Amino acid sequence: GQQLNQSPQSMFIQEGEDVSMNCTSSSIFNTWLWYKQDPGEGPVLLIALYKAGELTSNGRLTAQFGITRKDSFLNISASIPSDVGIYFCAGILTGGGNKLTFGTGTQLKVEL
Amino acid sequence: DTAVSQTPKYLVTQMGNDKSIKCEQNLGHDTMYWYKQDSKKFLKIMFSYNNKELIINETVPNRFSPKSPDKAHLNLHINSLELGDSAVYFCASSQGLAGVGQFFGPGTRLTVL
Repeated sequence: GQQLNQSPQSMFIQEGEDVSMNCTSSSIFNTWLWYKQDPGEGPVLLIALYKAGELTSNGRLTAQFGITRKDSFLNISASIPSDVGIYFCAGILTGGGNKLTFGTGTQLKVEL
Repeated sequence: DTAVSQTPKYLVTQMGNDKSIKCEQNLGHDTMYWYKQDSKKFLKIMFSYNNKELIINETVPNRFSPKSPDKAHLNLHINSLELGDSAVYFCASSQGLAGVGQFFGPGTRLTVL
């Protein structure tokens, strides 16, 4: 089945640093999403991308839908302590119930 | 003013028991989902319902039976619990079938002893 691999698996960064993480797939997706999960909570949608090549920002977050439709990346600028959490990419392939296929997650830890 | 709520938050039970997890959303959405998150944090969809009709059933063992009494509720009943069922189960809802814009509940941590 489809599998979304995220890298890095985890990362420690200094407060104020910029962060990059990406997500690659063996299959094409029509929509890419990025979620953040805080400890003990459910995932929360950060950004949705609908077209190949699309670049979208949400505050300090910027995400891009890869041209091949098989990848996406997320950048966080000037990280702050509350950025700690697990970031998941997710892809939707139209049809088949439009189910979300989630990535393996990137755990972000911020050093003060 | 909780959007998607689940009960219970924690559930500890013995192997072989039958248990239910309840989910309610007050967002007026017509589509609801159940996801399973394993110990490695991998999230996988189990079921989705649209207007009380089953849309997605991801080859989940038939010990798992979702029930949607109305659009605002999607409950998950699990028979004959096994050790491997231990996980966090998330309910989610969205408007329409596009899959985008899903709101997740806080999760139910199920531990099978």
